[in-house]
Amino acid sequence: QVQLVESGGGVVQPGRSLRLSCAASGFNFRKFGMHWVRQAPGKGLEWVAVIWYDGTKKYYGDSVKGRFTISRDNSKNTLSLQMNSLRAEDTAIYYCARDLVDSDGYSVGFDPWGQGTRVTVSS
Amino acid sequence: NFVLTQPHSVSESPGKTVTFSCTRSSGSIASDRVQWYQQRPGNSPTPVIFEDNQRPSGVPDRFSGSIDTSSNSASLTISGLKTEDEADYYCQSYDSGNWMFGGGTKLTVL
Repeated sequence: QVQLVESGGGVVQPGRSLRLSCAASGFNFRKFGMHWVRQAPGKGLEWVAVIWYDGTKKYYGDSVKGRFTISRDNSKNTLSLQMNSLRAEDTAIYYCARDLVDSDGYSVGFDPWGQGTRVTVSS
Repeated sequence: NFVLTQPHSVSESPGKTVTFSCTRSSGSIASDRVQWYQQRPGNSPTPVIFEDNQRPSGVPDRFSGSIDTSSNSASLTISGLKTEDEADYYCQSYDSGNWMFGGGTKLTVL
């Protein structure tokens, strides 16, 4: 079955960096776009970043643009998120999610989601 | 970019029907597909509706989605409410390289 397993979360001081990973299995990883979505404690969902199936296109949410970098290794079925210059407001559970495309082949959302990895930015 | 607005919370009794709204602030609700996700406490979100009104396999037909261009909103309806439906529900859409979520509605079944 399709499985997404995030790792790399932890406690980090403001201004420092952290790298998250997502191991994918059960589907042809290189054929799907992949996303990161986060959820701050007690808050709603916020889309973070997307990478095209072949890595040629990447888009970021305004709150992380210039600080976070999404990447993928299709040979290892792995998605990554490099997070630099971390701020307290980046504290959240970070989910990786496979791109959900509509009947015309356009990206519309997310399915499935991993279980998430928790990032806490605090001094 | 537009904003998707959802009511903060809704309460209803088992067996009843509940409808959640998701109102788009600008541009037509029909311009971009709307998805709905269910998030039970402590769990990851899972889609219950995609492409406005399509149910993923495994989602019961008690769940249905629609859009209303007159109110520029999408709706998720759950009929025959069960206690297991108690969760947060998020609408989501896409526009020009941004994937947006509504703020979520907390459903209490009591």
